[in-house]
Amino acid sequence: GAGVSQTPSNKVTEKGKYVELRCDPISGHTALYWYRQSLGQGPEFLIYFQGTGAADDSGLPNDRFFAVRPEGSVSTLKIQRTERGDSAVYLCASSFGDGELFFGEGSRLTVL
Amino acid sequence: AQSVTQLDSQVPVFEEAPVELRCNYSSSVSVYLFWYVQYPNQGLQLLLKYLSGSTLVESINGFEAEFNKSQTSFHLRKPSVHISDTAEYFCAVRRVNDYKLSFGAGTTVTVRA
Repeated sequence: GAGVSQTPSNKVTEKGKYVELRCDPISGHTALYWYRQSLGQGPEFLIYFQGTGAADDSGLPNDRFFAVRPEGSVSTLKIQRTERGDSAVYLCASSFGDGELFFGEGSRLTVL
Repeated sequence: AQSVTQLDSQVPVFEEAPVELRCNYSSSVSVYLFWYVQYPNQGLQLLLKYLSGSTLVESINGFEAEFNKSQTSFHLRKPSVHISDTAEYFCAVRRVNDYKLSFGAGTTVTVRA
């Protein structure tokens, strides 16, 4: 389809492991966002890319979290030394400039 | 910083009855306002938005929301709901000239026959 694609849809891992979550935005969208949605809460901003660079990473909770977008398209959110509190649904969205955000279905991360 | 409060976490409603989902926000600067909907097993979708102009905005599936600046509210209404409106609804704000959305905690609407 032509929407935002996120993989994996579900990821179960053990505490302390490393995890990568992938986002494939809508073709041609210059802006890409990561949000995190914990149980019972609304999505919270993590990081924003305009092109290849992270224009704003102020929402990343700590230095265990990192995201890249090397070619200005696909983005990977990387979490090191996962903790149980990292369990959430990680949402990716893309937009053309500052237009409407289109969200993917999310990657549900469970840390045991 | 801005914040969003959705006053109801769960709203059960019978089919063909009206529904209102309440949203209040706080911000020291001008904001844009949005309602997003998340149907079961789907991603967030934009339902409607207020950027400027008429304070009453409508969606294509019968929802409407009214921006009330004095009460800092953006309540969502539908006069007659369908089973297919069962979903989670999120109110969100974004400062003008910013890109970050701040979301409320969401309201789960369950429509029963």
